[in-house]
Amino acid sequence: QVQLQESGPGLVKPSQTLSLTCTVSGGSISSGSYYWSWIRQPAGKGLEWIGRIHATGSTTYNPSLRSRVTISLDTSKNQLSLKLSSATAADTAVYYCARERGYDYVDDYWGQGTLVTVSS
Amino acid sequence: DIQMTQSPSSLSASVGDRVTITCRASQSISSYLNWYQQRPGKAPKLLIYAASSLQSGVPSRFSGSGSGTDFTLTISSLQPEDFATYYCQQSYSTPHTFGQGTKLEIK
Repeated sequence: QVQLQESGPGLVKPSQTLSLTCTVSGGSISSGSYYWSWIRQPAGKGLEWIGRIHATGSTTYNPSLRSRVTISLDTSKNQLSLKLSSATAADTAVYYCARERGYDYVDDYWGQGTLVTVSS
Repeated sequence: DIQMTQSPSSLSASVGDRVTITCRASQSISSYLNWYQQRPGKAPKLLIYAASSLQSGVPSRFSGSGSGTDFTLTISSLQPEDFATYYCQQSYSTPHTFGQGTKLEIK
């Protein structure tokens, strides 16, 4: 059973970089069969797809965030990470990591989510 | 980006009712349509993928249909644990966009 767990600072100051890690257990992020995604959800609002990374290191980002987002893999730790630069209050949200199946592009496993607040 | 529009935004129903939620894409997405259930404070849970395929472990009272631009999620007989928010998502092209959600409440 694949499990994903997000971690990182719960509070980030405006203009700083929001950094999160997702630790994957029960499966290898090096498997070419999957992508690994980040999705966020502001309080009381809907879901926004941030981007994804494949085991090859190939990334795809939401155009609305592309200039500020970096997603990377650390295969030695079986982790993926998210960095979002120049954070503002609009980036305050629950951040989820998820596994996306490579053959039908479905997010089948999700982490429990972690709340990040951008505030001084 | 492909826009996904769900209706209704909220719905009141009773245990045992049959309910249908619709999702419309701004362009054809073939059958690359997924449905998720989200309970308060929890991560979304995959219910239906490829428009009509039931994810393993999901009760058979959930079903999906549609292709192209118009899709539906049907719950045949509502159970107490089904009161939650439901989201559709297209995975036809990136960014994988979601509908705004349908909140299913107890009448």
